[in-house]
Amino acid sequence: AQSVSQHNHHVILSEAASLELGCNYSYGGTVNLFWYVQYPGQHLQLLLKYFSGDPLVKGIKGFEAEFIKSKFSFNLRKPSVQWSDTAEYFCAVGGPWRLTGGGNKLTFGTGTQLKVEL
Amino acid sequence: DTEVTQTPKHLVMGMTNKKSLKCEQHMGHRAMYWYKQKAKKPPELMFVYSYEKLSINESVPSRFSPECPNSSLLNLHLHALQPEDSALYLCASRGPGEENTEAFFGQGTRLTVV
Repeated sequence: AQSVSQHNHHVILSEAASLELGCNYSYGGTVNLFWYVQYPGQHLQLLLKYFSGDPLVKGIKGFEAEFIKSKFSFNLRKPSVQWSDTAEYFCAVGGPWRLTGGGNKLTFGTGTQLKVEL
Repeated sequence: DTEVTQTPKHLVMGMTNKKSLKCEQHMGHRAMYWYKQKAKKPPELMFVYSYEKLSINESVPSRFSPECPNSSLLNLHLHALQPEDSALYLCASRGPGEENTEAFFGQGTRLTVV
């Protein structure tokens, strides 16, 4: 069974501080990994994704994540956070379309509530 | 157009009512999902449709009945719900892609059962 663990449930940072959110996953086979963000009152938006290739992926708004296969990890980073980054961040894991025709699960971690203070 | 549209945005229903949630996408996606999200919790998968066929039912109670009448539309029929079913219901769609694709989410329907 696939699963995702996010170790940091609540993170409070000052503006300009660096951010790293942990994500570990369990999945048997080729994996697709995602980070989604949910701003207050808004829908889930994709920050970045990893399918294959370069393990360091860059997303929107200055976020990046590194896939480390040996550690089953996909940690999210940002060098300098802004107040507007205050949101809930979810790591998610799923399988590739070509193997399942899309009929597979996209499983979310428990989320990390990030608060950035001015 | 990269939108998944859900209607209604808010719904209040009694425990004896029957109502339906609607989800629509015009991205040519062939997998569609229903998720349930409680406050401060992650989305929990309920159903997955792939090419208009139900492929995953996460042991959801029968008072929730999904329907996928065509490749663009996904419904969730609700009947005899309980107050604990109050939550944000999210629809998502995905693929197909050459190799891999991500899921696009709608804004959700905020459901309150009274």
